[in-house]
Amino acid sequence: QSALTQPASVSGSPGQSITISCTGTSSDVGGYDYVSWYQQHPGKAPKLIIYDVINRPSGVSNRFSGSKSGNTASLTISGLQAEDEADYYCNSYIRSTLGIFGGGTRLTVL
Amino acid sequence: EVQLVQSGAEVKKPGESLKISCKGSGYNFTTYWIGWVRQMPGEGLEWVGIIFPGDSDIRYGPSFQGHVTISADKSISTAFLQWSSLKASDTAIYYCARRSGDPFDYWGQGTLVTVSS
Repeated sequence: QSALTQPASVSGSPGQSITISCTGTSSDVGGYDYVSWYQQHPGKAPKLIIYDVINRPSGVSNRFSGSKSGNTASLTISGLQAEDEADYYCNSYIRSTLGIFGGGTRLTVL
Repeated sequence: EVQLVQSGAEVKKPGESLKISCKGSGYNFTTYWIGWVRQMPGEGLEWVGIIFPGDSDIRYGPSFQGHVTISADKSISTAFLQWSSLKASDTAIYYCARRSGDPFDYWGQGTLVTVSS
């Protein structure tokens, strides 16, 4: 099974909004409401920022939001800040307790 | 406070064996799945596999089945990832992470494994 498809890079200016897409198939993203998103700063472990498509863990800024339509999930970051510059990964449940990650998206804040 | 603390960096030669660890604390270790995730240099995240320490139910990602072994010792709240014969292509950072429902909500700090002759 191939990794979920994400754009390699996105960019935006401070204060703007950006959206990162995560495209799979009906066997993963489209088949379950179990999509999560992770933020990873250089040299750090990933951090959970969205789970079950739309939910934010406690302590995560409400500038982060998630959605899904068909086989594509999306992460939107509003009011971009310099600290948002990082790599972002989506993940979807596939079967038998396993999951699959997207290829990752590098966010640059201009 | 939930914590996952991983063992330190390793440097090995091709063909050698290795076992790295992930110790959980601050929660009931036996009631959450623990997953292992690989990140090769400059690359993205990949599922290695996952274990339920309560009964040692184990699932492997398709690319890793037969090449690694996942285990856990619930008496010491520790999960393990091991190789019997390392390859240069195993060079990567390996993260353990706790699964709560579907997502990985807590992550270890990562263990860098370097395999070089």
